[in-house]
Amino acid sequence: GESVGLHLPTLSVQEGDNSIINCAYSNSASDYFIWYKQESGKGPQFIIDIRSNMDKRQGQRVTVLLNKTVKHLSLQIAATQPGDSAVYFCAETKGSWGKFQFGAGTQVVVTP
Amino acid sequence: DTAVSQTPKYLVTQMGNDKSIKCEQNLGHDTMYWYKQDSKKFLKIMFSYNNKELIINETVPNRFSPKSPDKAHLNLHINSLELGDSAVYFCASSQEINYGYTFGSGTRLTVV
Repeated sequence: GESVGLHLPTLSVQEGDNSIINCAYSNSASDYFIWYKQESGKGPQFIIDIRSNMDKRQGQRVTVLLNKTVKHLSLQIAATQPGDSAVYFCAETKGSWGKFQFGAGTQVVVTP
Repeated sequence: DTAVSQTPKYLVTQMGNDKSIKCEQNLGHDTMYWYKQDSKKFLKIMFSYNNKELIINETVPNRFSPKSPDKAHLNLHINSLELGDSAVYFCASSQEINYGYTFGSGTRLTVV
């Protein structure tokens, strides 16, 4: 399944399927991006990052894609598991800012 | 051993009171942050300290005052609490400015 990360939408995914979470970032000057996962009652947790000189980066079961032309970032999760149920945030920054700007978040619900 | 720890985890208090939230990190990071997460899960930076020096102070009411006694600690004091201050407050740290954050588990503040 796919979603656009505005106003905390919900993405419902069947266990075992692939998930795609989308993020439209705000600033064309941003040069570093991170995806975070926040489980209920916990703080956000780093998943994967990508710099603006790359368009794709892979981790364990996760892939981040960056399209600077349209200011779009996506997170793909392969073979989604119940433990992947959480809110996912994209975050952007530029070297001189000293801070990250977070997107609105997407709730992922994994169904059996 | 918790990397970024916040206390208390829950705080319920009356309007007009003054309260503090404490944060400690044992990661040896130089930079610490306070973020506020509202009821729609939106995360917004409030303050950032680098080696005990304030480097980011977003548009936050001056009822909020951070204090960093050393680079491992960043506390947040809030005067004259208002209903709108109800939120989850997250402390985070990073090795360098604009590096990936490690978040604490949050302090849920409820003002009644």
